[in-house]
Amino acid sequence: KQEVTQIPAALSVPEGENLVLNCSFTDSAIYNLQWFRQDPGKGLTSLLLIQSSQREQTSGRLNASLDKSSGRSTLYIAASQPGDSATYLCAVRSTFNFGNEKLTFGTGTRLTIIP
Amino acid sequence: GAVVSQHPSWVICKSGTSVKIECRSLDFQATTMFWYRQFPKQSLMLMATSNEGSKATYEQGVEKDKFLINHASLTLSTLTVTSAHPEDSSFYICSAGDPGGRSTEAFFGQGTRLTVV
Repeated sequence: KQEVTQIPAALSVPEGENLVLNCSFTDSAIYNLQWFRQDPGKGLTSLLLIQSSQREQTSGRLNASLDKSSGRSTLYIAASQPGDSATYLCAVRSTFNFGNEKLTFGTGTRLTIIP
Repeated sequence: GAVVSQHPSWVICKSGTSVKIECRSLDFQATTMFWYRQFPKQSLMLMATSNEGSKATYEQGVEKDKFLINHASLTLSTLTVTSAHPEDSSFYICSAGDPGGRSTEAFFGQGTRLTVV
């Protein structure tokens, strides 16, 4: 059974700093991995999707990397801003079959950017 | 990307009543949708897989008679929490993939915050 863990559980950094969030998964046979952002009491915003064949994806100040063999992914946030404060979730999809896009979610990292 | 709409975004109900939550795929057809639940300060846990035209598949520990899922069309799945109790208070969110193959991404609704009093 796939298990996804995120470290740290919470992180506070001053505005402007670069930071890294970590995600690890126990079964390396994944199809893809997604990073999401969740604001308090809100739904999910998809940030980046990495296919199993890819090593990284970039969107603006965000860069996600994937090392499937070691069961790890990182989300790098450059030049952090107070608006980046949220909970960040990683999730893995284990199968490629269409119609089976269910995800296993990590425990989340609650990020606070201090102005 | 594809759009999934969930309604209502929040609901408060009395203990013992039933609540229906709708999940719609707006610009694509979804033969399969997924229902997740998130308790405070916890991550999302898959509850069940909703299959159009057939019975839902429930994860271990989820009561199928309590959480009724109906997927009557290719664009609508509903989750009914029957005889709700305070311990059912949670954040419920649905997702779907786009079987048209445009993306392998999972698309999520906005979520429903259920409070049972």
